[in-house]
Amino acid sequence: AQSVTQLGSHVSVSEGALVLLRCNYSSSVPPYLFWYVQYPNQGLQLLLKYTSAATLVKGINGFEAEFKKSETSFHLTKPSAHMSDAAEYFCAVSLLQGAQKLVFGQGTRLTINP
Amino acid sequence: EPEVTQTPSHQVTQMGQEVILRCVPISNHLYFYWYRQILGQKVEFLVSFYNNEISEKSEIFDDQFSVERPDGSNFTLKIRSTKLEDSAMYFCASSDPGNYGYTFGSGTRLTVV
Repeated sequence: AQSVTQLGSHVSVSEGALVLLRCNYSSSVPPYLFWYVQYPNQGLQLLLKYTSAATLVKGINGFEAEFKKSETSFHLTKPSAHMSDAAEYFCAVSLLQGAQKLVFGQGTRLTINP
Repeated sequence: EPEVTQTPSHQVTQMGQEVILRCVPISNHLYFYWYRQILGQKVEFLVSFYNNEISEKSEIFDDQFSVERPDGSNFTLKIRSTKLEDSAMYFCASSDPGNYGYTFGSGTRLTVV
């Protein structure tokens, strides 16, 4: 069975600073990995996805993530945080692209300090 | 861009009542899902549906829950006798293996009083 662990339920950074949100996965087969963002009282919006092509994946709003098989990680980064990035971020894994459930991590709440 | 539509956006119901949450998935998607998010917690898988039948369900999806695709466009989640602990945000999603992604609706916030 697949699982996802997000280290840090709450991350706080200053505006303009680097954002790093950590995600480690457990999977018996090569996984498909996703990052979703949830703004207050809204649904889940896809930020980016890894589908076994390039290991460095670029997403929307300046975010990117790197798949590292040796570390079983898929950390999300953004070079310079903006106030509008404040939200809940979820890492998710699927074993069968688009044909099986997503399993979500616990989520990381990102706070941006002015 | 195609969207997954969920109605209603909010629903308040009394404990023991039946509720039906409705979703219109993306038309050419083949797989449909319901997820639940209790306030402040993670998003939990409830059930997946493919080819007009349940393909997988979680331990949460007990006999109180059922899903249906009654008319080829709508996808519904029914909770027969709601409990206080059913209060949560319920998300519908759909996917297509050729599309490399899962699209989520905006959710229905269910409050059981």
